[in-house]
Amino acid sequence: EVQLVESGGGLVKPGGSLRLSCAASGFTFSISYMNWVRQAPGKGLEWVSSISSDSTYIYFADSVKGRFIISRDNAKNSLYLQMNSLRAEDTAVYYCATAAAVGATPYLLEYWGQGSLVTVSA
Amino acid sequence: QSVLTQPPSVSAAPGQQVTISCSGGSSNIGNNYVSWYHQLPGTAPKLLIYDKNERPSGIPDRFSGSKSGTSATLGITGLQTGDEADYYCGTWDSSLSAWVFGGGTKLTVL
Repeated sequence: EVQLVESGGGLVKPGGSLRLSCAASGFTFSISYMNWVRQAPGKGLEWVSSISSDSTYIYFADSVKGRFIISRDNAKNSLYLQMNSLRAEDTAVYYCATAAAVGATPYLLEYWGQGSLVTVSA
Repeated sequence: QSVLTQPPSVSAAPGQQVTISCSGGSSNIGNNYVSWYHQLPGTAPKLLIYDKNERPSGIPDRFSGSKSGTSATLGITGLQTGDEADYYCGTWDSSLSAWVFGGGTKLTVL
């Protein structure tokens, strides 16, 4: 059974930093494209970032580019999102999700974790 | 404002059918696979439809997907109260080098 468990969320002040982790099991993580997707309270889904299996291809949404860093450790079956210079509008539940890919880009988001809440507030 | 456009809400009676549209452009729907996701209240999103009209294991054939040009459509037949959820379309946008979602459609089964 595929399991994705996010952790590291919490309350942080504007301008602060937070690191999210996603622990993966039940599938071959090292060959899987991985993603972060967020959902602000009462709002729709917003894609945040994607990383290919070997970290060759990395993409970010414009809203987080230059502030967030995505990384992975295939030996630990883990995905990370380092979030810096956080703003109130980054408040959301952050989901990690696996993706099937065609070449260098994902074409569907297959399995999703339960999410980790990040609240940015003074 | 979302790159992909969905109606904010749709509704129908139990047993009826409904369609949800997703409109985009040539850089996204027009040249890439579309997938659909549903999100029951208080839960994480789940993959519902992918590729031309494929369903993950466990998704009944009451759910179907289609695409024509730069638009995609999700169809649900034999509506049940348990189908009440938010539905999202998504695809890769080759011009933006980004994954894009529709704004989501809330389905109400009256």
